[in-house]
Amino acid sequence: ETGVTQTPRHLVMGMTNKKSLKCEQHLGHNAMYWYKQSAKKPLELMFVYSLEERVENNSVPSRFSPECPNSSHLFLHLHTLQPEDSALYLCASSQDVAFTDTQYFGPGTRLTVL
Amino acid sequence: RKEVEQDPGPFNVPEGATVAFNCTYSNSASQSFFWYRQDCRKEPKLLMSVYSSGNEDGRFTAQLNRASQYISLLIRDSKLSDSATYLCVVISAGGSYIPTFGRGTSLIVHP
Repeated sequence: ETGVTQTPRHLVMGMTNKKSLKCEQHLGHNAMYWYKQSAKKPLELMFVYSLEERVENNSVPSRFSPECPNSSHLFLHLHTLQPEDSALYLCASSQDVAFTDTQYFGPGTRLTVL
Repeated sequence: RKEVEQDPGPFNVPEGATVAFNCTYSNSASQSFFWYRQDCRKEPKLLMSVYSSGNEDGRFTAQLNRASQYISLLIRDSKLSDSATYLCVVISAGGSYIPTFGRGTSLIVHP
């Protein structure tokens, strides 16, 4: 149903682990995003990529490292995370980075940091 | 003051009721406005954009009040399937593209 897929859907990791989240969009869009959604808090925009170039980095700690090898794929590399990083990580895409463009979200990766 | 504020609810209404949510924003330079719907443990999906002249899509009506800096969503003849969290999204002009989400308003429609 969704044109945006994310893997894995669930991830449990220790604070010393290194893992990566993957997002793929099949919509031919030029822009991709990473969001963090914590309980009782609004979605927080983390990174924005347009045509594989990062255009926004919303003051995210360096333990989160994004990578956009092409306009269809987006990764979020994780290392030395903290328990407060446990959240739902959502990927989204839109045609372009434009004020009127609809964002299409993936199902998310539910991350638990022990 | 938070950039985008919503009453978290929950709004608990019977089927067939009319319910309205408001969302206030603090940045007067805000340019685009949207309502997204998020079902429990699912991703957000666009419900409707909010235009300056207001817009209607079936049972849903969205309006923008720039003077008072809020947008509204009206749902008529509520259905059980309308139960969800409704997220307000505001995108501001001025160089940086940063969509700002509200916390969402929870709606529960009961039989």
